[in-house]
Amino acid sequence: AQKVTQAQTEISVVEKEDVTLDCVYETRDTTYYLFWYKQPPSGELVFLIRRNSFDEQNEISGRYSWNFQKSTSSFNFTITASQVVDSAVYFCALSANTNAGKSTFGDGTTLTVKP
Amino acid sequence: NAGVTQTPKFRILKIGQSMTLQCTQDMNHNYMYWYRQDPGMGLKLIYYSVGAGITDKGEVPNGYNVSRSTTEDFPLRLELAAPSQTSVYFCASSYGPSTGNTIYFGEGSWLTVV
Repeated sequence: AQKVTQAQTEISVVEKEDVTLDCVYETRDTTYYLFWYKQPPSGELVFLIRRNSFDEQNEISGRYSWNFQKSTSSFNFTITASQVVDSAVYFCALSANTNAGKSTFGDGTTLTVKP
Repeated sequence: NAGVTQTPKFRILKIGQSMTLQCTQDMNHNYMYWYRQDPGMGLKLIYYSVGAGITDKGEVPNGYNVSRSTTEDFPLRLELAAPSQTSVYFCASSYGPSTGNTIYFGEGSWLTVV
């Protein structure tokens, strides 16, 4: 069975602070993919990043960075110098080849960035 | 640049009514999905399809039906609407697990059952 845990239900920061969103996953598969999605107040779901289980390199894209550690089954997401526009619900997800293409989503972390 | 298109965006149903949420994708994805998102909650899989003619149940299929007659279309049918089906419904698609399974979502359909 697959499981994704986002222990932080809500986070509130002040603009320009750095913030890390935690994601811990469980799977018995050796081949799997991890994702982060953003859901702004308008409601749509926006794909941010995908990592496969064989690539533990951290990734940086502008103010966003992702830290994937298989040893701790974690795929954490850091926003540097947060902005009000980063306010959203962020979902971590896991997809394993043996699960017939079904992805498992965490319950989401609501990030509020205050001016 | 359409991607995944779902209609209607908003709908109010009376208890016991039926309706179909339409979904179409133009990315030639084999896999398609229907999720529901209750207020303040995460996504729950209702039904999914790995290709035309093939559908299977997800976590919360009761009260819903789907069909997949073409690669592009994956309508979701609500029979005998109940207040518990008040939710936001997302249609989504992907190439499938062999190519990383990145899921692309439609804009959502807000459904209220009164």
